[in-house]
Amino acid sequence: AQSVTQLDSQVPVFEEAPVELRCNYSSSVSVYLFWYVQYPNQGLQLLLKYLSGSTLVKGINGFEAEFNKSQTSFHLRKPSVHISDTAEYFCAVSDYDQKLVFGQGTRLTINP
Amino acid sequence: NAGVTQTPKFQVLKTGQSMTLQCAQDMNHEYMSWYRQDPGMGLRLIHYSVGAGITDQGEVPNGYNVSRSTTEDFPLRLLSAAPSQTSVYFCASSLDGTGDTEAFFGQGTRLTVV
Repeated sequence: AQSVTQLDSQVPVFEEAPVELRCNYSSSVSVYLFWYVQYPNQGLQLLLKYLSGSTLVKGINGFEAEFNKSQTSFHLRKPSVHISDTAEYFCAVSDYDQKLVFGQGTRLTINP
Repeated sequence: NAGVTQTPKFQVLKTGQSMTLQCAQDMNHEYMSWYRQDPGMGLRLIHYSVGAGITDQGEVPNGYNVSRSTTEDFPLRLLSAAPSQTSVYFCASSLDGTGDTEAFFGQGTRLTVV
């Protein structure tokens, strides 16, 4: 069985500061990894995904994530955040089918 | 292109009432699924469908029924609502059922059972 742990439930940062949202997963098989973002009162949309190949994955809105197989991590980073990045971020994992397993979510709050 | 459309956006039910949450997609996706989102628990899979006429249970199926008579629609039925079903429900679709494809989500239905 797979599981995903997001280590921080809330992350407050100042505008233009860098941010890292942490995600660890466990699985007995090879997995695909995703980060989804949920803006207030909206559904989830895909930020980026790791399928194979390069361990550094770039996504939309300047976000990137690094897959680390030995540490079973997939942390999300952005070098300089904007007020508009205020949202909840979900890390998710799947294997051969689309049954996504989500982490608990990290609420990112940007302070001016 | 509407994507994934869920109705209603908000609903209040009394314990024991039944209702159907509607989900429709216009992307000709084969795979559709329902998740519930609860604080501190992320999203959990309720039911899913790999195509018209085929459905299966996810992680938390108890108290919910689904059917898939067309490719476009995947309604979720609550037969006898309970306060434990108070949650935000999301419908999602993807091109096929493989693990590497992107899931597209609707805007959610916020359900309160009193």
